[in-house]
Amino acid sequence: EAGVTQFPSHSVIEKGQTVTLRCDPISGHDNLYWYRRVMGKEIKFLLHFVKESKQDESGMPNNRFLAERTGGTYSTLKVQPAELEDSGVYFCASQFSGYNEQFFGPGTRLTVL
Amino acid sequence: SQQGEEDPQALSIQEGENATMNCSYKTSINNLQWYRQNSGRGLVHLILIRSNEREKHSGRLRVTLDTSKKSSSLLITASRAADTASYFCATDAGAGTYKYIFGTGTRLKVLA
Repeated sequence: EAGVTQFPSHSVIEKGQTVTLRCDPISGHDNLYWYRRVMGKEIKFLLHFVKESKQDESGMPNNRFLAERTGGTYSTLKVQPAELEDSGVYFCASQFSGYNEQFFGPGTRLTVL
Repeated sequence: SQQGEEDPQALSIQEGENATMNCSYKTSINNLQWYRQNSGRGLVHLILIRSNEREKHSGRLRVTLDTSKKSSSLLITASRAADTASYFCATDAGAGTYKYIFGTGTRLKVLA
């Protein structure tokens, strides 16, 4: 069974540009999460989808970040326009409803120059 | 807001030695989990311990939980070079939410 996949693995963009990160959860997992780790700091929660609905987006840093999960399958996280402080590793995780464990993807390393 | 903190931030040991990492958190939890991240890879789930458990074993891993002190420890016995990674504890944020609160992690380096 395929795990959580993320694309791209690494993205380098200029300040002011737009980047879209994609996450494909494990099939059948209704819960999908985005987390971010900024260099040297803890991994922080961004938001939580249940199917296509945003359950909790309290961790989204500002309105330059937009997450979607069309049809309750894969999810995208768009940063527009990107700022230097957005650099970090963005993790996606999925979870089967009723279970505690979240399964994480390999992450996307975003570098904003 | 709740925040997990790992101690030490970095640890370097010889192969065969034991490695102990600690995690502290601030609010009540339902469970605590430990994850490992190898360089350039995703987070791998190691072990989950529930708030009503005090100790749990999985292979060479031993996790303890002290809810009165709001702390947990991860012990890796007979370490191997392949154990070199960053280790994170993650706690749930309490009833009504599924999000995890992570600590800053401990970077473990096992020297062959």
